Amino acid sequence: AQKITQTQPGMFVQEKEAVTLDCTYDTSDPSYGLFWYKQPSSGEMIFLIYQGSYDQQNATEGRYSLNFQKARKSANLVISASQLGDSAMYFCAMREAPGAAGNKLTFGGGTRVLVKP
Amino acid sequence: NAGVTQTPKFQVLKTGQSMTLQCAQDMNHEYMSWYRQDPGMGLRLIHYSVGAGITDQGEVPNGYNVSRSTTEDFPLRLLSAAPSQTSVYFCASSYSRADTQYFGPGTRLTVL
Repeated sequence: AQKITQTQPGMFVQEKEAVTLDCTYDTSDPSYGLFWYKQPSSGEMIFLIYQGSYDQQNATEGRYSLNFQKARKSANLVISASQLGDSAMYFCAMREAPGAAGNKLTFGGGTRVLVKP
Repeated sequence: NAGVTQTPKFQVLKTGQSMTLQCAQDMNHEYMSWYRQDPGMGLRLIHYSVGAGITDQGEVPNGYNVSRSTTEDFPLRLLSAAPSQTSVYFCASSYSRADTQYFGPGTRLTVL
């Protein structure tokens, strides 16, 4: 069974509008972390935002926010005021039980975002 | 800080050849790992290390060897390359096993 599911393979968004990227996860571990990474066409993986399973508030980093709904096991990324430079592939990833397997990240299949001017 | 560096950026091998992908970090990070990314997919963990002298297997370790003789370096060795190992390889590091991982720029490997 997939542990991280990103159901949107691709989406368009108009410049300056907000976009929500979906991510659902599956784990029985009470302690886990959720990450979002951006991969532009140049290929590097850029860390965007992190949410811990025990964090009470949704994480925010500049124009990025994470809509964390623990009961639904979802961790959607919201990008506000989209810019042309936001066009990229976005990956959701989960880390379970840091002590068991190091710092292993399990990745979803990604969502490609194209920002239209 | 240079962060996480990887060499080479591109490599073409013939089936059966061996090579080492280099990874180095200058942030004194304990944890280092190697992932591979196949077309249209997310990353999968190959091997990881929680400190110098300590390595372990990840999700897809077959065909790859690693060692960690220093904190800074974590090379990935392909002993006998196969076309199935054509992929983009990323090295990542974090201060500890519970911290955010930061990725290198990747190595694009093609095995003919």
